[in-house]
This record gives sequence, C-alpha cells and structure tokens, in this order.
Amino acid sequence: NAGVMQNPRHLVRRRGQEARLRCSPMKGHSHVYWYRQLPEEGLKFMVYLQKENIIDESGMPKERFSAEFPKEGPSILRIQQVVRGDSAAYFCASSLAGDGYEQFFGPGTRLTVL
Amino acid sequence: QKEVEQNSGPLSVPEGAIASLNCTYSDRVSQSFFWYRQYSGKSPELIMSIYSNGDKEDGRFTAQLNKASQYVSLLIRDSQPSDSATYLCAVSPWSTDKLIFGTGTRLQVFP
Repeated sequence: NAGVMQNPRHLVRRRGQEARLRCSPMKGHSHVYWYRQLPEEGLKFMVYLQKENIIDESGMPKERFSAEFPKEGPSILRIQQVVRGDSAAYFCASSLAGDGYEQFFGPGTRLTVL
Repeated sequence: QKEVEQNSGPLSVPEGAIASLNCTYSDRVSQSFFWYRQYSGKSPELIMSIYSNGDKEDGRFTAQLNKASQYVSLLIRDSQPSDSATYLCAVSPWSTDKLIFGTGTRLQVFP
C-alpha cells in the first residue's frame, strides 16, 4: 500500500482519557500535516512536521494537543484529557516536499468522545 | 472576510452537463491552489493542482486560475452521477506550507 496510512480508523474515548492517532506518510514523503474536520465544518490545519521537527504548529490548540514525527516510525497526534468538543475526523496528509507541493490525504481517524 | 470562500451549494447539474465550481481567496500573494473531492464520510482526494495563471486540463477536469482577480475555478465536463460529492478549494499562502480550505461546494449530478 503506497498511500498514506492512518490508524486507528475509528477511536472511542471517554472524557478525560488520552487519544493517540498515528500516521505513516506515503513512501518517499517526509513532510506530514495534520488537519481536523469538525462535524459540518471545513478542514482546519493543525500542524506541519518533518522528521524530528515541528515546522508549523500555528493551528494546534495551546493545551492538551501535541504532535511528533520521530526518526523512526509514524507521526503521532496526541490528545490528552479529551473532551466532547474533540470529537471530529482527524486527517493526516503527506507531501514530497514543502513549498506548495501537493498533499495527499490518508483515510482519517474518526474520534468520538463519550 | 474568509480566507477561502466557496458557495456551499448544492449545485445541481444533469448528467452530461458541465459543472462549474468557483473559489475566491483573500491572500493576494498565495502561490499554490488545489481542488479536492470529498465523498461523504471519506477523506479528501486530490483532483487538480494549479500554480500559474490560465487553464490546466486533466481529463474531464479543467482548473482555471486568475491571480489578479484572486479567483480559481474547476470545470467538470460530461458530469456523471459518480461526480456527486463535495469539492474543496485549498490555497497555500506564500511562505507557509499549510493548506487553507474553503468550506466546500456540494455537487449533485442527476441522471
């Protein structure tokens, strides 16, 4: 599978628990982006990472959210102490390079907070 | 003013017709422009990218960019019922790599 992979596809958490979302970019891609789509709303940028570096986190909420892209392994978006308002679809995209290169999206993780 | 604006629709066209989707953006120095298609419950799928003024054709799809008017459009020729989806316009502002999305236009193609 040469596409962007995300897991899990569906995640249910209770309020106060932690959610970990994983993303493996397309083969050969080293640029990863996370977006969130709230119900009936548009896609919103959260964070842009390259291996071991956060390049732009201007869209990340200041508290409870963090992201990493280690040297080995997938990129991880971590949400601590989830609240109902975190329920959304979280999409990861990858690109070959920055500077306006095309971004290809994974299937997304649907997070439901009970 | 929203950074990227699209008419939410729905835009209804008969099968075989041309569907015209429009998008305006506010950042005059934006460099890169994209059209994505998103079926309900699915992830965005890249249809077209365009970087310079004029037209770019790919099969039944044509993207048009006018930077002076801050306007980008997508034409779908010979529309099919399978084209029924939400079409998202995305803009990458200058000096950033993130995409700013419009809220999308819902297209309905009826037989």
